Amino acid sequence: EDQVTQSPEALRLQEGESSSLNCSYTVSGLRGLFWYRQDPGKGPEFLFTLYSAGEEKEKERLKATLTKKESFLHITAPKPEDSATYLCAVQAKGFQKLVFGTGTRLLVSP
Amino acid sequence: DGGITQSPKYLFRKEGQNVTLSCEQNLNHDAMYWYRQDPGQGLRLIYYSQIVNDFQKGDIAEGYSVSREKKESFPLTVTSAQKNPTAFYLCASSIGYYNQPQHFGDGTRLSIL
Repeated sequence: EDQVTQSPEALRLQEGESSSLNCSYTVSGLRGLFWYRQDPGKGPEFLFTLYSAGEEKEKERLKATLTKKESFLHITAPKPEDSATYLCAVQAKGFQKLVFGTGTRLLVSP
Repeated sequence: DGGITQSPKYLFRKEGQNVTLSCEQNLNHDAMYWYRQDPGQGLRLIYYSQIVNDFQKGDIAEGYSVSREKKESFPLTVTSAQKNPTAFYLCASSIGYYNQPQHFGDGTRLSIL
């Protein structure tokens, strides 16, 4: 069965303190790995898609990387506005649906 | 602006009542999805549709029904058979079926009176 595990569950950072969020996955052939940001009471906002090991994507202070077993979302010099829940999801080959992790709640304090 | 509109934002259901959640998209996407989000759990797929007049059950379809009569609309009915309907419901769409990111609306929060 396809599974996604995100860690840590929650992370508190000071503004400017860089860190990484982890997404470990087991899937029968990866078609794509997706990162989303979700603010309280809102729907997830798409950030990145990664398709193969070694691939990297960047957007402002965020950088996503992918290996054969996990993905990392690196946050460089975070700001309070980066506070949100970050969700990871995988799509297996031959299947349309996404399997989501439970997310990492990030709080960045000024 | 293109996007996905879910309504209402908050909905209350009485015992034995069916309620319908609206989802409309103007992105010209072929595929649409309904998810349920509960605290401490990942999003779980209820139903999805690849084309008009066709839809498939997801992982937790019991107690729910959908229709896809128009490309831009994918309403979800929570029936009285769904015994634990209190949750945050999210509608999504994607331009294709594989390798494409799903884009989400801002959800409907359903509670029981």
